Amino acid sequence: DIQMTQSPSSLSASVGDRVTITCRASQSIDNYLNWYQQKPGKAPRLLIYAASTLQTGVPSRFSGGGSGTDFTLTISSLQPEDFATYYCQQSYSTPPLTFGPGTKVEI
Amino acid sequence: EVQLVESGGGLVQPGGSLRLSCAASGFNFSNYWMTWVRQAPGKGLEWVANIQRDGSEKYYVDSVKGRFTISRDNAENSLYLQMDNLRDADTAVYYCARWLVAGHNWFDPWGQGTLVTVSS
Repeated sequence: DIQMTQSPSSLSASVGDRVTITCRASQSIDNYLNWYQQKPGKAPRLLIYAASTLQTGVPSRFSGGGSGTDFTLTISSLQPEDFATYYCQQSYSTPPLTFGPGTKVEI
Repeated sequence: EVQLVESGGGLVQPGGSLRLSCAASGFNFSNYWMTWVRQAPGKGLEWVANIQRDGSEKYYVDSVKGRFTISRDNAENSLYLQMDNLRDADTAVYYCARWLVAGHNWFDPWGQGTLVTVSS
């Protein structure tokens, strides 16, 4: 099974900050990498698929990059509504479809 | 509007059974793979099971194989998860999601989730 790790596990930031979250796969997954946002008590929401393609309706301040084993999610200017937990997920090798442990972005 | 609504969660004793349902609307249900993902309290996301468009292929995470059964009724636009021999570790919010498979694949959208609590 492909294992996913994320760093940091949590971070504190301010409105307007540039934030970067890293996701690493235990083996190459090409660009088969998705990012989700989850707010407390809510269902996850797809932000980015195929490592860098923004889902319709997602603000352009979100961007994704990387390929192979190392990936990033960047928020160019953090907004109040962006405080949430972010998960990466590999879709290269299935089953199982595995998620990273999450990165909590706090004020 | 594409919508998924789960139901059927609740409190069940270890060893018991529960059947979750997910009602789909706003899209051609029979054209899509579907999936269940769960989240234990305070923990991350864990994929549980997938089912192919016509129900002919099903995949499970190892920890639920032999205990959980995913199924669907395309005439009723509904997805199900039959959970038997439940364990404490199965306590979680269970989400259904549409699994888009088009070269790449991803989960979108997700339902609001239904809580399953396994406890004596």
